[in-house]
Amino acid sequence: AQSVTQPDIHITVSEGASLELRCNYSYGATPYLFWYVQSPGQGLQLLLKYFSGDTLVQGIKGFEAEFKRSQSSFNLRKPSVHWSDAAEYFCAVGANYNTDKLIFGTGTRLQVFP
Amino acid sequence: GAVVSQHPSRVICKSGTSVKIECRSLDFQATTMFWYRQFPKQSLMLMATSNEGSKATYEQGVEKDKFLINHASLTLSTLTVTSAHPEDSSFYICSARAQSNNSPLHFGNGTRLTVT
Repeated sequence: AQSVTQPDIHITVSEGASLELRCNYSYGATPYLFWYVQSPGQGLQLLLKYFSGDTLVQGIKGFEAEFKRSQSSFNLRKPSVHWSDAAEYFCAVGANYNTDKLIFGTGTRLQVFP
Repeated sequence: GAVVSQHPSRVICKSGTSVKIECRSLDFQATTMFWYRQFPKQSLMLMATSNEGSKATYEQGVEKDKFLINHASLTLSTLTVTSAHPEDSSFYICSARAQSNNSPLHFGNGTRLTVT
């Protein structure tokens, strides 16, 4: 069965510091992977996605993620965090791009200190 | 870009009453919409898939008689929580997908339901 694990429930970084949010997935075939961001009381915004090709994908707001099949990981990174990046981040896996059923991780709450 | 609008953003109701939540695709037609539920500090769990003109498909463990879904047009799906109880208090989020191939999911801003 598909599953997504985000090991870090809460991460705190200083503004300007680098960031890496971890995501591990379990899926038999090549997964379709997504990162979403959710601000308090808001819906989800897609940051980036991976389907195939280059394993390093660029997203919005300066985020990138790298697909590593050998590690079943799809970690999200940003070289320099801004205070506005404080939010909840969800990794998700789908059977295909048009999947009806995204499986979400439990999320990582990012707090940014000035 | 594509926008999904959810209404209301917040609602408080008394136990035993019913609440309707609307999900609209504003600039595209959505043959399929999805309803998720998010408990505090937890992830989103898919409740059901709403298909225009046909019955919704519910995930295992979701009571279809309690969470009524109607997708009467290509731009509107509604979720009605019937006979609400305090344990139904949650954050409900919808998403929609356009008709074209490889279209992404667009999420609404969610509805915070509090049942007193």
